[in-house]
Amino acid sequence: EDQVTQSPEALRLQEGESSSLNCSYTVSGLRGLFWYRQDPGKGPEFLFTLYSAGEEKEKERLKATLTKKESFLHITAPKPEDSATYLCAVQATGGYQKVTFGIGTKLQVIP
Amino acid sequence: GAVVSQHPSWVICKSGTSVKIECRSLDFQATTMFWYRQFPKQSLMLMATSNEGSKATYEQGVEKDKFLINHASLTLSTLTVTSAHPEDSSFYICSARGHKGTPPNTGELFFGEGSRLTVL
Repeated sequence: EDQVTQSPEALRLQEGESSSLNCSYTVSGLRGLFWYRQDPGKGPEFLFTLYSAGEEKEKERLKATLTKKESFLHITAPKPEDSATYLCAVQATGGYQKVTFGIGTKLQVIP
Repeated sequence: GAVVSQHPSWVICKSGTSVKIECRSLDFQATTMFWYRQFPKQSLMLMATSNEGSKATYEQGVEKDKFLINHASLTLSTLTVTSAHPEDSSFYICSARGHKGTPPNTGELFFGEGSRLTVL
């Protein structure tokens, strides 16, 4: 069974204090790993897709990296508007299209 | 692009009534749509997968007769919570994936804004 574990569950940063969120995964064969941002009371917003170990993607202050066992979401010089819950999800290869989500990391950036 | 619209955003109903939630892909054709349920401080739990023109595939433990899913066109799927009870109160979110060969087709899901259901 596919599993996604995210850590920490919650993270509080000062504005400008860079940090990383971790996503460890177990999947039979990885088709794709996804990062989403979710604001309270809203649906998740797509950020990145990573397909293979060594791949990196960036968007503004966010950078996602992937290894064979985990992914990191690096946040550089965060701002208060980066406060949200960040979700990691994996999709396995094979015929079934199910995507498995982690519980998320709730990030709070304090001015 | 890749916009998914969900309606209503929130709904309050009496116990025993039925509620319908709509999910539309606005700028792409979605052959597959997914319905999730999310409880506070928990991850998104997949309820069912619907493919246009065919019956939905429900996850283990999800009652087919309580959560009716219809995917009548490439841009619309509906979730009907029948005879709702307070324990059905939750945040329901739909998502869509593009049709093979057309954007967006890279595997990621695009989510609606979610629907908060409160059953009194």
